[in-house]
Amino acid sequence: QVQLQESGPGLVKPSETLSLTCTVSGDSVGSSSYYWGWIRQPPGKGLEWIGSVYYTGTTFYNPSLKTRVIVSVDTSKNHFSLMLMSVTAADTAVYFCAREYSSTRGFDLWGRGTLVTVSS
Amino acid sequence: SYVLTQPPSVSVAPGQTARISCGGNNIGSESVHWYQQKPGQAPVLVVYDNSDRPSGIPERFSGSNSENTATLTISRVEAGDEADYYCQLWDSSSDHWVFGGGTKLTVL
Repeated sequence: QVQLQESGPGLVKPSETLSLTCTVSGDSVGSSSYYWGWIRQPPGKGLEWIGSVYYTGTTFYNPSLKTRVIVSVDTSKNHFSLMLMSVTAADTAVYFCAREYSSTRGFDLWGRGTLVTVSS
Repeated sequence: SYVLTQPPSVSVAPGQTARISCGGNNIGSESVHWYQQKPGQAPVLVVYDNSDRPSGIPERFSGSNSENTATLTISRVEAGDEADYYCQLWDSSSDHWVFGGGTKLTVL
């Protein structure tokens, strides 16, 4: 059974960097079949895609966030990561990691999500 | 940037059919996916590539896509279908995923 689990600090100070890791079990981030992505959801609001990474390190980012985001993959640890820099209160959200099958199949498996609050 | 427009809310009585729309410019030429999200939970893919269902999703969930509107149809609605529903597609012109704003389905 494939599972994804987000981990990282639940509280980040304004102007600092938000860092999260998604650990994958039951599958390999080194698989050529998938991309691995991050999606967030501010409290009471909709879903926003942040970015996705392939096992080769190829990345795609949301144009509205790309100047502040780095998504990376570590096949030796079977996890992928998110860094969001210069955060503000507007970055407070539940952050989900997910497995992206393809552009014609969407995100077929999601982690449970982790709430990150930006506050001093 | 591609914009997907969903109605904020849809209400339906149990046993009836719910239809949730997702509007976009020439969306009928795109591959659209639908997610169900219940409070406090992660989204679940219920329809992919306009009309295909992942394993384990009831046949009551179906999708269609034509011209400028994609539609998620839920037949014989149950109380357990009450949730937020999001449409999504890959914008190949700028290489990024786009989500609709979401629709809250209320079962009366």
